[in-house]
Amino acid sequence: ILNVEQSPQSLHVQEGDSTNFTCSFPSSNFYALHWYRWETAKSPEALFVMTLNGDEKKKGRISATLNTKEGYSYLYIKGSQPEDSATYLCACPFLDKLIFGTGTRLQVFP
Amino acid sequence: GAGVSQTPSNKVTEKGKYVELRCDPISGHTALYWYRQSLGQGPEFLIYFQGTGAADDSGLPNDRFFAVRPEGSVSTLKIQRTERGDSAVYLCASSLGGTGHYNEQFFGPGTRLTVL
Repeated sequence: ILNVEQSPQSLHVQEGDSTNFTCSFPSSNFYALHWYRWETAKSPEALFVMTLNGDEKKKGRISATLNTKEGYSYLYIKGSQPEDSATYLCACPFLDKLIFGTGTRLQVFP
Repeated sequence: GAGVSQTPSNKVTEKGKYVELRCDPISGHTALYWYRQSLGQGPEFLIYFQGTGAADDSGLPNDRFFAVRPEGSVSTLKIQRTERGDSAVYLCASSLGGTGHYNEQFFGPGTRLTVL
């Protein structure tokens, strides 16, 4: 079974700061990488599905890049806002399931 | 349209009791998944249904855990003789197709189970 890792485990930033965190995964047999945002007491929300090496996707102030050769993806948040506070999960499909990292818990202070 | 719903949102029970957790997937989604997120971990796969049948139950931790989806829509996760280590958030997800690395899974808000 594949191993998906995320770092850091948690992050505290001030409002307005930009931040980024990492997801690493095995580069062999890569199919896709999913990023989710999970706010407390809500459903995990899909942010991006990335499939191509060198892909860069953007949604508002959030963007993500993908390097399948070296097995990592970065998620960037520009000008963090308190409403960005959440756990950010990445996941890789493996057979019929998603294999998740442990998540990065982001706290943005006003 | 309605998303995936799960009930109850919170469940507190005593060690040794039986619990049932319910998931209502998005209408028309044939695939349904259960995951469990324990403290400090990412969500871990439990079981996957394609229609009414469990296509992969390799993630169920032991025989105290069982899940059904009798009509291919609503699913119930059943836990017998609960233990404190079963405390976690239980997430349900559904997707349009079956196995498919590009099939987006839509998640419910989870049921937070606490076993005292």
